[in-house]
Amino acid sequence: RKEVEQDPGPFNVPEGATVAFNCTYSNSASQSFFWYRQDCRKEPKLLMSVYSSGNEDGRFTAQLNRASQYISLLIRDSKLSDSATYLCVVNTYTGGFKTIFGAGTRLFVKA
Amino acid sequence: GAGVSQSPSNKVTEKGKDVELRCDPISGHTALYWYRQSLGQGLEFLIYFQGNSAPDKSGLPSDRFSAERTGGSVSTLTIQRTQQEDSAVYLCASSFRLRDRGDTEAFFGQGTRLTVV
Repeated sequence: RKEVEQDPGPFNVPEGATVAFNCTYSNSASQSFFWYRQDCRKEPKLLMSVYSSGNEDGRFTAQLNRASQYISLLIRDSKLSDSATYLCVVNTYTGGFKTIFGAGTRLFVKA
Repeated sequence: GAGVSQSPSNKVTEKGKDVELRCDPISGHTALYWYRQSLGQGLEFLIYFQGNSAPDKSGLPSDRFSAERTGGSVSTLTIQRTQQEDSAVYLCASSFRLRDRGDTEAFFGQGTRLTVV
């Protein structure tokens, strides 16, 4: 089992749709969590951190469920510009802290 | 500069040649990562440096791959006897270690696109 798993997609949604991504992690000692966005042929960039209490940034909502070991990202009112790959990122202690990236979920938002 | 800098941005090499890829992390960042990404694929972890600790080399695909980090700053990823399957974008990232809480967000360089012909 991979340490961080995501549905690779692709997710094809119309503009204005709500889309949700889930990510599961295997190590219960994981400390911190992030969602990154990667545009085609670009480097990944931080989208938002994920806090235990959940957090919202405009149309984006991130949630963490430690008991079930998954994090989620909800995008409301999708825009064409949201088309990208969304990477789930987990900082995990495996004898030393390490940042582990999921393989990413591709999103295509169409007009 | 303020960000992670990688060089060269593009490298074309002949099969069997050695290549060196350089990463200059953000000043003060103690953690440095190398990842590889093939076209249309996810990030593949290669190696992780954290301060003066022994690096985590568990992601290096073969003994042709090695990396160094001198003085806790600049890192060089070396690929010996390159093969066509080594063609990919090699991404470097750095972050800061929060005591007892792991690393903060990782900042990526723009990558080195390696093509082995």
